[in-house]
Amino acid sequence: QVQLQQWGAGLLKPSETLSLTCAVFGGSFSGYYWSWIRQTPGKGLEWIGEINQSGNTNYNPSLKSRVTMSLDTSKNQFSLKLSSVTAADAAVYYCARGGVYYPSIWGQGTVVTVSS
Amino acid sequence: DIQMTQSPSSLSASVGDRVTITCRASQNIAGYLNWYLQKPGKAPKLLIYSTSSLQSGVPSRFSGSGYGTDFTLTINSLQPDDFATYYCHQGFTTPRTFGQGTRVDLK
Repeated sequence: QVQLQQWGAGLLKPSETLSLTCAVFGGSFSGYYWSWIRQTPGKGLEWIGEINQSGNTNYNPSLKSRVTMSLDTSKNQFSLKLSSVTAADAAVYYCARGGVYYPSIWGQGTVVTVSS
Repeated sequence: DIQMTQSPSSLSASVGDRVTITCRASQNIAGYLNWYLQKPGKAPKLLIYSTSSLQSGVPSRFSGSGYGTDFTLTINSLQPDDFATYYCHQGFTTPRTFGQGTRVDLK
């Protein structure tokens, strides 16, 4: 059964860079789209972006200037970096695997807090 | 961005009830509409993709319909495990967007 396991720093100071990694266990890494999605009580579920196996990316325009997604196919991992975080970036961050039109398998989520 | 609007925002129901949740897109998304279920503290779980296709392992009491801008999720004979929050999601274009959620709780 395919599982996604994600990790990264959960407490950041304003202006720091959020860095999260997601690993795939028990399934193929190729042929899928890999997404990052975040959730807050106020804004609900927000799509951050996606990357495919060729490394092609689509980012949410609202975050595009600060987001970088990458793949490490040798490790079956993909990563998210979000620079210059503020309190507005505090959220639960999820990684997900799926087809181009829908994420079907999600990671367990990482709570990210931004505080000075 | 395409806005996804769900109704109702919450509803109370009993075990065995038939429940219907609607989702409206701010523009035509063809059939690229997906439904997720989320329980507190857990990640969303895919229920239905492409409007009406049931994800593997999802019980047949869940069904979806619609096209274009108006979509429906129906739960026939609500079970105790179904009390959760449901989200619609459009995969038609980027940025992908979600509805605000519909919370289903016990009457």
